[in-house]
Amino acid sequence: DAKTTQPNSMESNEEEPVHLPCNHSTISGTDYIHWYRQLPSQGPEYVIHGLTSNVNNRMASLAIAEDRKSSTLILHRATLRDAAVYYCILRGLAGGTSYGKLTFGQGTILTVHP
Amino acid sequence: DTEVTQTPKHLVMGMTNKKSLKCEQHMGHRAMYWYKQKAKKPPELMFVYSYEKLSINESVPSRFSPECPNSSLLNLHLHALQPEDSALYLCASSPRVGGAENEQFFGPGTRLTVL
Repeated sequence: DAKTTQPNSMESNEEEPVHLPCNHSTISGTDYIHWYRQLPSQGPEYVIHGLTSNVNNRMASLAIAEDRKSSTLILHRATLRDAAVYYCILRGLAGGTSYGKLTFGQGTILTVHP
Repeated sequence: DTEVTQTPKHLVMGMTNKKSLKCEQHMGHRAMYWYKQKAKKPPELMFVYSYEKLSINESVPSRFSPECPNSSLLNLHLHALQPEDSALYLCASSPRVGGAENEQFFGPGTRLTVL
């Protein structure tokens, strides 16, 4: 499986933007980049995904490098409720070893200060 | 209804007990998953069901026995567990197994303690 690398932890202040980086230098052309987050005492929840182009939704934006070897999850205005572990995950198409699987790395622990 | 429900929320069992975890979704999803999460670690995939058939078993010990009686329900039967099996057990579902765009919806988990 293609691997992702994320910083162990990051800190932010409330109301400020947060940029969470993810490196995936061995990504294949058919791998989608997914982000999930896990709030304390809850199951993971889907945040956003993309393939090549930048993506926006109501929760966040995903910026994907032109060579696709890295991506950045952007929370435009962090709130205390955004404090969570953020996971960057690659998902492949049928026939690959990652087919059907969501393989979580260690993730980034985001702390948001009031 | 975009919710995955899991019961019970907490479970304490002895090593000789038999218990079951239950997971339910009513989103019409045909793929369902069991994950195990130890404290301060990421979730690890255990089993994947596709159209009520087991499609992936990540070499899980036989003391864990999954069952998918219908498209909405997923059970995990537990027997002769060890204290190291204490963890948060997460259930998830998605429209189907395939499709790299598929989003998985997770339940809140069952916190299992084996004494």
